[in-house]
Amino acid sequence: GNSVTQMEGPVTLSEEAFLTINCTYTATGYPSLFWYVQYPGEGLQLLLKATKADDKGSNKGFEATYRKETTSFHLEKGSVQVSDSAVYFCALSLRAGGTSYGKLTFGQGTILTVHP
Amino acid sequence: IAGITQAPTSQILAAGRRMTLRCTQDMRHNAMYWYRQDLGLGLRLIHYSNTAGTTGKGEVPDGYSVSRANTDDFPLTLASAVPSQTSVYFCASSREGHSGANVLTFGAGSRLTVL
Repeated sequence: GNSVTQMEGPVTLSEEAFLTINCTYTATGYPSLFWYVQYPGEGLQLLLKATKADDKGSNKGFEATYRKETTSFHLEKGSVQVSDSAVYFCALSLRAGGTSYGKLTFGQGTILTVHP
Repeated sequence: IAGITQAPTSQILAAGRRMTLRCTQDMRHNAMYWYRQDLGLGLRLIHYSNTAGTTGKGEVPDGYSVSRANTDDFPLTLASAVPSQTSVYFCASSREGHSGANVLTFGAGSRLTVL
């Protein structure tokens, strides 16, 4: 079956530190890959995405590259801010004639706390 | 402001009671979804609907039912709540298509506690 594995948290960093959150996946077919972010008390919102191998998604200083050879989609940011404190979810969806697009498979989430 | 509205925000109910979580979207998205979020498990799909009039089962459908009478509304019903259904429930929607990655818009969630 399809699955997503994220590095376990929580992750605690000081402001301006470098961030990496690892994500690997298992899927049949050719998935699209996503990072969603959940700020305290809110629903999830899309952070970035990549639809094919070697694509790089980027947004708000965050980046992730779709690596088919290592089945990975690690999230990185060069200098985190206190406002980046949130839960980060890696997810995949499969293209199968249009009926599977929105049915995301999520990782378990990684809690990030950034201190001043 | 366009988006998804969920109600109630939070609810405590006794085991065995019937409960319906409401979800309304105003973006004219044709696909809608219900997920539950549990610590350490991420989000798991309960039911989905690709278009009005159709529904499908996700990963964890047992004990839940849905209906999609129109494009905007997608209620989730627990016919007889059990404590294991204590969770945060998120409704989401997307514009289904064939062009590639399909982005979901999420509601703010409904926190349900079953005692």
